[in-house]
Amino acid sequence: GESVGLHLPTLSVQEGDNSIINCAYSNSASDYFIWYKQESGKGPQFIIDIRSNMDKRQGQRVTVLLNKTVKHLSLQIAATQPGDSAVYFCAEIPDYKLSFGAGTTVTVRA
Amino acid sequence: GAVVSQHPSWVICKSGTSVKIECRSLDFQATTMFWYRQFPKQSLMLMATSNEGSKATYEQGVEKDKFLINHASLTLSTLTVTSAHPEDSSFYICRCTSGSSRDTQYFGPGTRLTVL
Repeated sequence: GESVGLHLPTLSVQEGDNSIINCAYSNSASDYFIWYKQESGKGPQFIIDIRSNMDKRQGQRVTVLLNKTVKHLSLQIAATQPGDSAVYFCAEIPDYKLSFGAGTTVTVRA
Repeated sequence: GAVVSQHPSWVICKSGTSVKIECRSLDFQATTMFWYRQFPKQSLMLMATSNEGSKATYEQGVEKDKFLINHASLTLSTLTVTSAHPEDSSFYICRCTSGSSRDTQYFGPGTRLTVL
């Protein structure tokens, strides 16, 4: 079936560096995408979203890029901090359902 | 502040018993609630979708007689794991939406179920 997937399961980044997390999706009908952050033992926390009529959206220290041609999403975190250590999921919404990718574990090195 | 709560936050039970997990939307009316299950180091898997006053729609492979879902009001949905077994041990998370799924949706903090 169609799925959302992450390219890399883990990412180790030096504190202060920028992080880039990638995500591939396969449902061409999806027109809304969300990045979530999940800390251990907690529910997912909304980070940023983007609609399919946009290529880029910026938030506070985070930027999401959408490439519909190759069905690819990325989340960029600027000046990564220890508090950014978590699992990051991309999710797509072609309808009311929200499909999650496998997740990328980000570990920030001091 | 939290807009979706779950109770309990964690529960340990014996094999064969039933466990009820509550999901509440605190300051909005959740027309649709979703239940997810997450095993360690894995992604969230959708179990079922429930609309207030209607029977839940279960995803393929999820036993509706084992995972009973009730969405009796616009602010409360319950998931009952009947005759729980160790393999049901997981992190259960609800998601609430109001109106358009794009506009208002929040996840609960999750419930950790451990079946001995």
